[in-house]
Amino acid sequence: GQNIDQPTEMTATEGAIVQINCTYQTSGFNGLFWYQQHAGEAPTFLSYNVLDGLEEKGRFSSFLSRSKGYSYPLLKELQMKDSASYLCAVRDGDYKLSFGAGTTVTVRA
Amino acid sequence: ETGVTQTPRHLVMGMTNKKSLKCEQHLGHNAMYWYKQSAKKPLELMFVYSLEERVENNSVPSRFSPECPNSSHLFLHLHTLQPEDSALYLCASSQFQDSAYEQYFGPGTRLTVT
Repeated sequence: GQNIDQPTEMTATEGAIVQINCTYQTSGFNGLFWYQQHAGEAPTFLSYNVLDGLEEKGRFSSFLSRSKGYSYPLLKELQMKDSASYLCAVRDGDYKLSFGAGTTVTVRA
Repeated sequence: ETGVTQTPRHLVMGMTNKKSLKCEQHLGHNAMYWYKQSAKKPLELMFVYSLEERVENNSVPSRFSPECPNSSHLFLHLHTLQPEDSALYLCASSQFQDSAYEQYFGPGTRLTVT
């Protein structure tokens, strides 16, 4: 089976940077996604990485290391609205998407 | 309507009831999915339809029965559910099933089985 691990909760201060680590062990790899989910709402797409390295998109960056089996998003200049659950999802060799349990990030003033 | 819509948003049903969840996508996508999201647990993939054909069934109990009449609509028929089936049921769609395209999620149906 697939194994995707990420911390349950993280707390950070407004204006700071937060990094959420996701480690995975899957049968094959065809890309890693990050989704954001606010309480009571649908998950929304944040990023997709299939090659090693850093993908930057405004305040949000996502890093992937395929050889080490981990990824992390970097959320910069944190705002209160960034308080949400962040879901790591890996597409395996059969293109099936498996999700981690999510990391709840709380941004404090 | 845009994106992915789901109805109803909330549903309370007894264990002997029969109900259906509806999902509609307005994105012209070819693949649709049902997921179950329980508190503090990963999203669990239940069913995948690609071009209106079921391509994935993750050992889901037969009390859940999906139906995909066309590429824009997906249903989940429920009957004789158990209290542990209470969860958020999310529908999603993507351009194609086996590609790098991201999935777009609906707002979900919060199901409570009493």
